[in-house]
Amino acid sequence: QKEVEQNSGPLSVPEGAIASLNCTYSDRGSQSFFWYRQYSGKSPELIMSIYSNGDKEDGRFTAQLNKASQYVSLLIRDSQPSDSATYLCAVKVDSNYQLIWGAGTKLIIKP
Amino acid sequence: EAGVAQSPRYKIIEKRQSVAFWCNPISGHATLYWYQQILGQGPKLLIQFQNNGVVDDSQLPKDRFSAERLKGVDSTLKIQPAKLEDSAVYLCASSPRYDNEQFFGPGTRLTVL
Repeated sequence: QKEVEQNSGPLSVPEGAIASLNCTYSDRGSQSFFWYRQYSGKSPELIMSIYSNGDKEDGRFTAQLNKASQYVSLLIRDSQPSDSATYLCAVKVDSNYQLIWGAGTKLIIKP
Repeated sequence: EAGVAQSPRYKIIEKRQSVAFWCNPISGHATLYWYQQILGQGPKLLIQFQNNGVVDDSQLPKDRFSAERLKGVDSTLKIQPAKLEDSAVYLCASSPRYDNEQFFGPGTRLTVL
């Protein structure tokens, strides 16, 4: 069974520090990886997508992908209280293009 | 560009009653998804449409859930009869194609009493 694993948290990070969120996946054939942010009571919002090994930066966010080790991470620099949310990792299975979702990591940024 | 629209936003029903949710995807998006999200879990795919055809409904409880996407645009998801364990947020998402990023609507929070 294809799985995506995330630490449920909560992960508590001081304001201004770097928050590091990790995700591992089981299907070696996966090619597309996504990070979504979900505020309490809201729907998931796409933050980053990454398709090849290495880093991809977008503002304060950096996604890192290592296919050999089957993990993808999200770094948030200069963390702000508004970054407090649950971060969902989703992996696209190429055999049927279905997204497999992790349960999410709850991030708390302390002022 | 308008986002994914869903209605209603909230619904409270008694068990064994029926309920229907509506979704209007982003204009031009061919792929539409219905997800169920229980508190503390990631979204669970119920059904995926490509235009007006079903691509994947393997996790849809077909004895009580049904969905349709007539004319390849709007979609409705129905539950009949509802059970207590159906209490969840029902999310609709769309993407330009089946292999693109998905964009979510605001969701419908269903409470079954």
